[in-house]
Amino acid sequence: AQSVTQPDIHITVSEGASLELRCNYSYGATPYLFWYVQSPGQGLQLLLKYFSGDTLVQGIKGFEAEFKRSQSSFNLRKPSVHWSDAAEYFCACRGSTLGRLYFGRGTQLTVWP
Amino acid sequence: GAGVSQSPSNKVTEKGKDVELRCDPISGHTALYWYRQRLGQGLEFLIYFQGNSAPDKSGLPSDRFSAERTGESVSTLTIQRTQQEDSAVYLCASSLGGGQFEQYFGPGTRLTVT
Repeated sequence: AQSVTQPDIHITVSEGASLELRCNYSYGATPYLFWYVQSPGQGLQLLLKYFSGDTLVQGIKGFEAEFKRSQSSFNLRKPSVHWSDAAEYFCACRGSTLGRLYFGRGTQLTVWP
Repeated sequence: GAGVSQSPSNKVTEKGKDVELRCDPISGHTALYWYRQRLGQGLEFLIYFQGNSAPDKSGLPSDRFSAERTGESVSTLTIQRTQQEDSAVYLCASSLGGGQFEQYFGPGTRLTVT
């Protein structure tokens, strides 16, 4: 069965510091991988996605993520965090060509000024 | 263009009453999904539509939950005889298809069962 694990429930960083949010997936083949961000009271917005090719993908708002097959990971990174990045971040995967996304439980990011 | 819209944005209902939640997907999106997000939790899949058929309804938690979709348009999620544990944000998403196509999410309906 497919699953996604986000080991960190809550992360706090200072503004300007670098950020890495961890995501591990469980699936027998290469899945389609996504990172979404949810600001308070908002729906989910796609940050980036991976489905083939270059394992380092660039997204919106200066985010990037690296797919590592050997570690079954798809960690999200940002070199310098802004206060507006405070939000909840969800990693998701889809294994089949159709259907649902499997979401992790989310990582809440707090940014100190 | 217009995104996914959901109505109502908030719904407070008494335990035992029925509720209907509506989702208007992005025009042209053949796939539509319903998810539930309880407080402090991740997203819990409920049901997936391809056109007006539902090839995956494995996430519906009980027979009190049902959903339908008219063609490739509006979908309605119905919860009968609501219980307090049904309180959550119900999110709808649509996409052009599966695979690498991302899902576009609506703002959600916050359901509170008192």
